[in-house]
Amino acid sequence: SQQGEEDPQALSIQEGENATMNCSYKTSINNLQWYRQNSGRGLVHLILIRSNEREKHSGRLRVTLDTSKKSSSLLITASRAADTASYFCATKETSGSRLTFGEGTQLTVNP
Amino acid sequence: EAGVTQFPSHSVIEKGQTVTLRCDPISGHDNLYWYRRVMGKEIKFLLHFVKESKQDESGMPNNRFLAERTGGTYSTLKVQPAELEDSGVYFCASRQRSPGTGDNEQFFGPGTRLTVL
Repeated sequence: SQQGEEDPQALSIQEGENATMNCSYKTSINNLQWYRQNSGRGLVHLILIRSNEREKHSGRLRVTLDTSKKSSSLLITASRAADTASYFCATKETSGSRLTFGEGTQLTVNP
Repeated sequence: EAGVTQFPSHSVIEKGQTVTLRCDPISGHDNLYWYRRVMGKEIKFLLHFVKESKQDESGMPNNRFLAERTGGTYSTLKVQPAELEDSGVYFCASRQRSPGTGDNEQFFGPGTRLTVL
């Protein structure tokens, strides 16, 4: 399996509900970043969590990181139709500065 | 402040032709990266510049790909000759210099969608 695997691959919810996406990785990391990509658009940086952090918040976003399990989760609360997009986690290993991406979760928020 | 820009947004070329993609990073960002996503697969790293120097080009698929960053500002990625499997979306990202080991955000451009027929 790939570094930075997201789960689920696709998620469909109703507006107002919470959406949770998970990411697993294999190597030791320095940080983990979440990105959003709207259809046909570029990648928008959402949040970065460092390896010594366990939880981080930004607006309606909550990210957790469990380095013992090599996993992270992204929670979007009170979802909106505009949150419909693909969400990617990307890890930065302890050496180098390249990001390693998973295949993403396609989130659909129905109005 | 302007974000990362890429040109063109779309390119359709015939197999065997040459295409050059351009990336303008955020002003002042020393670090510039190229990534690509092909065939709906995961986004993969191609290479990393620090100013005008190639820091890591281990992700470049073969010698048909040539990246440059003369003067340490914008970068170009040339594919010559293009093959069918080169079709995909090519992303550029930039990052500010950091005192540690690259532990800060990479900001991505909108990508160039390349179609090779």
